[in-house]
Amino acid sequence: EVQLLESGGGLVQPGGSLRLSCAASGFIFRNYVMTWVRQAPGTGLEWVSAADSGGDGIYYADSVKGRFSISRDNSRSTLYLQMNSLRAEDTAVYYCAKGIDGSNWFADFWGQGALVTVSS
Amino acid sequence: EIVLTQSPATLSLSPGERVTLSCRASQSVSRSLAWYQQRPGQAPRLLIYDASMRATGIPARFSGSGSGTDFTLTVSSLEPEDFAVYYCQHRRNWPLTFGGGTKVEIK
Repeated sequence: EVQLLESGGGLVQPGGSLRLSCAASGFIFRNYVMTWVRQAPGTGLEWVSAADSGGDGIYYADSVKGRFSISRDNSRSTLYLQMNSLRAEDTAVYYCAKGIDGSNWFADFWGQGALVTVSS
Repeated sequence: EIVLTQSPATLSLSPGERVTLSCRASQSVSRSLAWYQQRPGQAPRLLIYDASMRATGIPARFSGSGSGTDFTLTVSSLEPEDFAVYYCQHRRNWPLTFGGGTKVEIK
């Protein structure tokens, strides 16, 4: 059974940092592309970042470029999102999602999400 | 950046009715478009990918069509569990983007 378990969310002050983790199981993690998507309260989905299966191909939304960093540890089957210089508008539930395969970026399985609240 | 526009924003329908949702792209995405369903308090679920491919475990009442800039998601007969918000997403180039969503509510 595929499982994605996000952790590391919480309350942080503006300008602060957080690192989200996504522990994957039930599939061969190193063979799949992975994505982070967020959803601010009461709003729609926003794609944030993605990493290819080897972690070399990395992509970001303009809204987080230069502040967020995605990485993956295939030996630990874990995806990360390092978030720096956080702003109030980064407040959202952050979902970790698995790609359909090693080249298809659509997400066929999602975690339950980690809430990040940026507030003083 | 490719902008995806979904219409209408909200639909009020009854169980058993047929519904067609629209997603229009600001430039061609070929067939690189997916549809997701999100129920309240839940993570999104992939329904359709690459315009018309049903994801694993998705009932046959869900179907997708289109190419280029115009796409549709059809639910042939609404079940009570289908009342939710539906999003489209492309993977044509970076950044990937989502549409604003269509809420299908019970009339």
